[in-house]
Amino acid sequence: GENVEQHPSTLSVQEGDSAVIKCTYSDSASNYFPWYKQELGKGPQLIIDIRSNVGEKKDQRIAVTLNKTAKHFSLHITETQPEDSAVYFCAAGGSYIPTFGRGTSLIVHP
Amino acid sequence: DTGVSQDPRHKITKRGQNVTFRCDPISEHNRLYWYRQTLGQGPEFLTYFQNEAQLEKSRLLSDRFSAERPKGSFSTLEIQRTEQGDSAMYLCASSPEGGDTIYFGEGSWLTVV
Repeated sequence: GENVEQHPSTLSVQEGDSAVIKCTYSDSASNYFPWYKQELGKGPQLIIDIRSNVGEKKDQRIAVTLNKTAKHFSLHITETQPEDSAVYFCAAGGSYIPTFGRGTSLIVHP
Repeated sequence: DTGVSQDPRHKITKRGQNVTFRCDPISEHNRLYWYRQTLGQGPEFLTYFQNEAQLEKSRLLSDRFSAERPKGSFSTLEIQRTEQGDSAMYLCASSPEGGDTIYFGEGSWLTVV
């Protein structure tokens, strides 16, 4: 089955800095890579996703990049704000059942 | 527009008791998923329905766990003879026909004491 590794487990940045979270996956058949944000006590919310036919996607301060050859994908958040503080999960899927990474706790200091 | 709804949001139960969680997916989403999440971990897949058919079950889903989706709408997840290791958040998610994005509910927290 699919195996998703996510790094780092904790990321601490100053407000206004950029944050980068990296994930690798094992199954070359995976073709869909969503990212979720989870706030304390809540369910994960989709923030951005990318499919295997593109290498990069951007939505305001958030961007994702995908390298299918190397089987890794990354989330980039620019101009971080305190409200970006949360746990972020990457996932990889191709058969309707995504496999999740273990999460990155992002802390943005004002 | 309502998202995925889960009930109850919190449940404290004594070891050995049975518990049942309910999930109402987004209207017209024919795919429904159950995941489990423990502290510091990502969601782990438990089971998946397409309409009323349970198409996949994880090895995490022991014999004490059973899930149903009798009419292809809401779903229930029952845990029999709960153990302390069952303490976790149980997440339900749904997705539409032909879509690969899954949308989560707020989760049901289970504490077994």
